[in-house]
Amino acid sequence: DVKVTQSSRYLVKRTGEKVFLECVQDMDHENMFWYRQDPGLGLRLIYFSYDVKMKEKGDIPEGYSVSREKKERFSLILESASTNQTSMYLCASSLLGRLDYTFGSGTRLTVV
Amino acid sequence: GQQVMQIPQYQHVQEGEDFTTYCNSSTTLSNIQWYKQRPGGHPVFLIQLVKSGEVKKQKRLTFQFGEAKKNSSLHITATQTTDVGTYFCAVFTTSGTYKYIFGTGTRLKVLA
Repeated sequence: DVKVTQSSRYLVKRTGEKVFLECVQDMDHENMFWYRQDPGLGLRLIYFSYDVKMKEKGDIPEGYSVSREKKERFSLILESASTNQTSMYLCASSLLGRLDYTFGSGTRLTVV
Repeated sequence: GQQVMQIPQYQHVQEGEDFTTYCNSSTTLSNIQWYKQRPGGHPVFLIQLVKSGEVKKQKRLTFQFGEAKKNSSLHITATQTTDVGTYFCAVFTTSGTYKYIFGTGTRLKVLA
């Protein structure tokens, strides 16, 4: 089975901190994605990547950046965490051209 | 831009009753995917529909793609408590940037 592993299940950070959320997949998927999920707003795409060192903005990239130095790893960076970034963050991956995404278990981030 | 509406937002049913959620698009779709997210869990891919009028079944779940490829439905026959969760449809659009849009989801509660 494809596994998408997110480094932390729960995180609590202070306002202004730099936050790294890590995601690793083990099935050689080209596409990787970062979503945030909020009640009433559904899943919103932050960034995605279809190749190493490639990144594309999603719907809500403001306040975030990403890094993909290796094919299996896609990191989401909150440069200066703010309380409105408190959310569930979900990483997903898929093969190029495929739409059956595999999601990680999510990281629930609280910014205080 | 493309919009995907999912109805209803919530549904409570007695165990054994049927359940249907609908996904409607403002534009013609090339395909549609369905996911399930258990409470506290992450979205899990269920199925993809591609052809006009396509019907696919997974045990008690029946997925249908509309003839005009603008809508889709997921029907659960004789719900069980294990069906509890949120059901999302998702569509791919090439308008603007590469985007995979998730519907807002239908949260199903099954009362024993």
